[in-house]
Order: sequence, then structure tokens, then C-alpha cells
Amino acid sequence: GAVVSQHPSRVICKSGTSVKIECRSLDFQATTMFWYRQFPKKSLMLMATSNEGSKATYEQGVEKDKFLINHASLTLSTLTVTSAHPEDSSFYICSAGDFGDQPQHFGDGTRLSIL
Amino acid sequence: SQQGEEDPQALSIQEGENATMNCSYKTSINNLQWYRQNSGRGLVHLILIRSNEREKHSGRLRVTLDTSKKSSSLLITASRAADTASYFCAAHGSGNTGKLIFGQGTTLQVKP
Repeated sequence: GAVVSQHPSRVICKSGTSVKIECRSLDFQATTMFWYRQFPKKSLMLMATSNEGSKATYEQGVEKDKFLINHASLTLSTLTVTSAHPEDSSFYICSAGDFGDQPQHFGDGTRLSIL
Repeated sequence: SQQGEEDPQALSIQEGENATMNCSYKTSINNLQWYRQNSGRGLVHLILIRSNEREKHSGRLRVTLDTSKKSSSLLITASRAADTASYFCAAHGSGNTGKLIFGQGTTLQVKP
């Protein structure tokens, strides 16, 4: 089945550091990828829709200058958390899927801890 | 805002028992999907039920959909300890954007 690879799985870094998370579709082309954030024992909150070759679409309340998204190819989207602070610590998950009503395929998530 | 609301938030059962989770949603949908998440991992798609379907089975999973009540249920029969996970319902948001909006989730613990 379709596989989405997310890297790294865990990041621990100092406040002020920028962190890049990669999301790759391994056996299919993904014109659209999605980035979610999940707090402990909570549901997934959609942050943005990543569109290949164009600007990402951010959900209300998500700072686009804080969470930079680049989708330069049909198999790779990156999320960069710029100048990360402790409040940015969270579990970030990406997914990829076709438009329409098909299931999405999820990466295994990245646990980001900012000290 | 979340599309789906789920109950119960947490469920603890013995191995072999059945587990039922419910999901209610707010707007019209084309389909409703159920996902599973093991602790600290990504989500795995379990089953999709379309708006013109009332019931669907996949192995030990049974999903129902009542569009008049805007609700769905997931039944796991003969549960196993390995079924311990969080379960989320999800539906697509308005417009053909492909965005999924998730319910709050049910945390299921199956005791051996």
C-alpha cells in the first residue's frame, strides 16, 4: 500500500533553533499533502495544506511565517518551524492523499521538543 | 472547528469483549472515515463508509452511518490487547480541498 515517510521522528533542540521536518510519499505522487499538529491526548488539528508548485494554504490562526511549508516536488513536502520556542513543542504529522474523498496516508509523526 | 465529536472519550474493556465508539458530525459529508493511532505513531486508515451506505464490514470492524442523525459508530468485535489505540472519525471539510477534519477521538484500552 501507499507509504508516507516522515523524518525525523524526534527532535530535541534549543529555543531559537529552526527545525525542518520532511514528508515524503514513497510510492506515489502527491500533489497535495497536509500538515497536522497534535497535543497530548488530543485530536489532530490541521495546520495547512501543502500544494506542489504553489503556496501552501494555512488554516485560520496558523502563522505562515512561523511554519514555513515548501512542496517543491510531487514526493516531498517540508515543514520548517522557524525560531522555535517551547510552546511549539508538539507532535507534527503529515499526510498525503488524492483530492476528493479518498483516504489519506499518514507519516509516523515527528515529536518536537524545544528546551 | 472539529467536524466530529466522539464518545466515549475513553473506553476500557477486557479482551474478547466488543468495543463501540460513536461519532457525530455537523455538516453534510460525502463519506466518513475511521482511523487508528497507536501511541506516538501516525494514523492508519481503517475503513471508509460513503454517505449512501448504512453499514460496512471489514474483518472484526463494523461501521454504521446514519446521515439523518449525522452520526456513525465503529464496532470492534472480539477485541484483542493489540487493539489498544486511539480511534478517530474524520470527514472532509466543505469544498473539494481534500482536507480531513477529525473528531476528538476515543482512547481504547483492551486488557489481556
